[in-house]
Amino acid sequence: DVKVTQSSRYLVKRTGEKVFLECVQDMDHENMFWYRQDPGLGLRLIYFSYDVKMKEKGDIPEGYSVSREKKERFSLILESASTNQTSMYLCASSFFWSPLPGQGEVDNQPQHFGDGTRLSIL
Amino acid sequence: KNEVEQSPQNLTAQEGEFITINCSYSVGISALHWLQQHPGGGIVSLFMLSSGKKKHGRLIATINIQEKHSSLHITASHPRDSAVYICAGRDNYGGSQGNLIFGKGTKLSVKP
Repeated sequence: DVKVTQSSRYLVKRTGEKVFLECVQDMDHENMFWYRQDPGLGLRLIYFSYDVKMKEKGDIPEGYSVSREKKERFSLILESASTNQTSMYLCASSFFWSPLPGQGEVDNQPQHFGDGTRLSIL
Repeated sequence: KNEVEQSPQNLTAQEGEFITINCSYSVGISALHWLQQHPGGGIVSLFMLSSGKKKHGRLIATINIQEKHSSLHITASHPRDSAVYICAGRDNYGGSQGNLIFGKGTKLSVKP
């Protein structure tokens, strides 16, 4: 079974602090994602990575950065935490999705999610 | 921009009822995912489909490519089915190829 592990279920930090959220997956997935989930807004993509040292901005990257030094680990960093970053943060991983049809079985692979980190910024 | 719309936003049912949750999506989205999120946060992938119908236990997912519409059905609903159900479409456009676009979710409560 695929396991996506997020380092904390609940986290409380202060405004201005640098915050690290860690995510580890054990299935050798190429793709990893960070989302935040807010009431009424659903899940929104912050950053994603298709390979080690690779990162791409999602829909709401402002105020965040990421690090992918090893394939199994994808870290989300709040450079200077603010109260509007209080949210549920979810990490996910999947096998590589080939953009060209017919290029093997890796197409349309599901994303596997961690249990989430509920982050409060005071 | 590609979009995914879900309905209803909230749904309350009695145990045993047949439940349907709907999802409509715009052009450029393929491979609809249905996800389940229980209180506490963890998300589980239920189905991923790009055509036809899939069934797993009491859950059935269908997709109509021409109408750009998918449904999730729950037969003989049970209180343990209470959760938020999220529809997500894979974005086929430009630099975000392969990423998921999420609906806002349907909160289902099944009463005993």
